[in-house]
Amino acid sequence: GQNIDQPTEMTATEGAIVQINCTYQTSGFNGLFWYQQHAGEAPTFLSYNVLDGLEEKGRFSSFLSRSKGYSYLLLKELQMKDSASYLCAVAGVNTGFQKLVFGTGTRLLVSP
Amino acid sequence: SAVISQKPSRDICQRGTSLTIQCQVDSQVTMMFWYRQQPGQSLTLIATANQGSEATYESGFVIDKFPISRPNLTFSTLTVSNMSPEDSSIYLCSVVGGNEQFFGPGTRLTVL
Repeated sequence: GQNIDQPTEMTATEGAIVQINCTYQTSGFNGLFWYQQHAGEAPTFLSYNVLDGLEEKGRFSSFLSRSKGYSYLLLKELQMKDSASYLCAVAGVNTGFQKLVFGTGTRLLVSP
Repeated sequence: SAVISQKPSRDICQRGTSLTIQCQVDSQVTMMFWYRQQPGQSLTLIATANQGSEATYESGFVIDKFPISRPNLTFSTLTVSNMSPEDSSIYLCSVVGGNEQFFGPGTRLTVL
């Protein structure tokens, strides 16, 4: 089976940096995705990691360690609009690259 | 990127009735996916809609309850049959493009 764990909720201040962790246990691994989801909206793609290391994209970075079954999403220079849920999702070998298993999501609240 | 539309955007239905949700993509795709997001929860894959063959259902989901059609490479429907309040959820259509999975805006279903 597959198990993906994320913190339920986090709070941070505007302008700060926040790191959202995700640990996973899967029968196979074919990549890890991060999505942002604002309340009442569809998830939007943020990042994809399949090799170990850090992927940077503007204010957002995502890190992966396959040996540890661990990833994090780093958000810099936080803005109020970053208040949203952040979903970690894994593509497993047995489920096929294109079928994702999602964690329960981390609700991030950015305060002034 | 893919642009995905869904109809209806929301609906309120009576127990025991059925609702068909439509998903339209602006480009041809091999596989389309249907997810469910129950209140306060993350996304769960219901099934993969394959063009030219029967849909593939995930554990816990059956064709009698969630029949799926895939008449061509840009369109799919998901029917929620014999609805109960437990089916109240957001239903999302999804497709893959490269290393990204794109989601439709979702259909918010409330069953009374």
